[in-house]
Amino acid sequence: GESVGLHLPTLSVQEGDNSIINCAYSNSASDYFIWYKQESGKGPQFIIDIRSNMDKRQGQRVTVLLNKTVKHLSLQIAATQPGDSAVYFCAENIGTSYDKVIFGPGTSLSVIP
Amino acid sequence: EPEVTQTPSHQVTQMGQEVILRCVPISNHLYFYWYRQILGQKVEFLVSFYNNEISEKSEIFDDQFSVERPDGSNFTLKIRSTKLEDSAMYFCASSEALRDINGYTFGSGTRLTVV
Repeated sequence: GESVGLHLPTLSVQEGDNSIINCAYSNSASDYFIWYKQESGKGPQFIIDIRSNMDKRQGQRVTVLLNKTVKHLSLQIAATQPGDSAVYFCAENIGTSYDKVIFGPGTSLSVIP
Repeated sequence: EPEVTQTPSHQVTQMGQEVILRCVPISNHLYFYWYRQILGQKVEFLVSFYNNEISEKSEIFDDQFSVERPDGSNFTLKIRSTKLEDSAMYFCASSEALRDINGYTFGSGTRLTVV
């Protein structure tokens, strides 16, 4: 069935260190993946996306890695800052269902000053 | 920066009452969505809407739910007879195209509390 899950529900990181947030997905038909950041009281905010024909994509301070062999997705945040504290969701979009995004349960990232 | 606007930010309603949650998507977007998030849980897809009709809906979106684009700017979610378990944060989102490169743009949500 369709499911997107996370290995770690909470993550605490020292300011300046790198953060890695992991996500497992089970639907091999998924071909588009998105990471969202949700700050308290706000809606999910797009961070970065990756299509299944890629295994790595870099943005500003963020990198997404996709391993289709083991159905694993990760978000790396370089030089983590206090403003990065939020809940991070991985999400997937399936080629047969272009309209909906399936969210994982979320990882709470806390940055220690 | 363009944003999706949702009103009200918080609504309290009695069980059995009808509620309408309102959204103003980004003006040049063509695809509209409703999602919900029960407190502390993941964000769940409810419905997508394009060209004045529902294009996809989830099992959650039963006969008690309906969506409408009554004019060129608003997109509404109606819950006909609210239940306690409808209490959640409801997010509206819009996108310019399917899978547009920046994904959806979400609003800040309406917190619905059913008592």
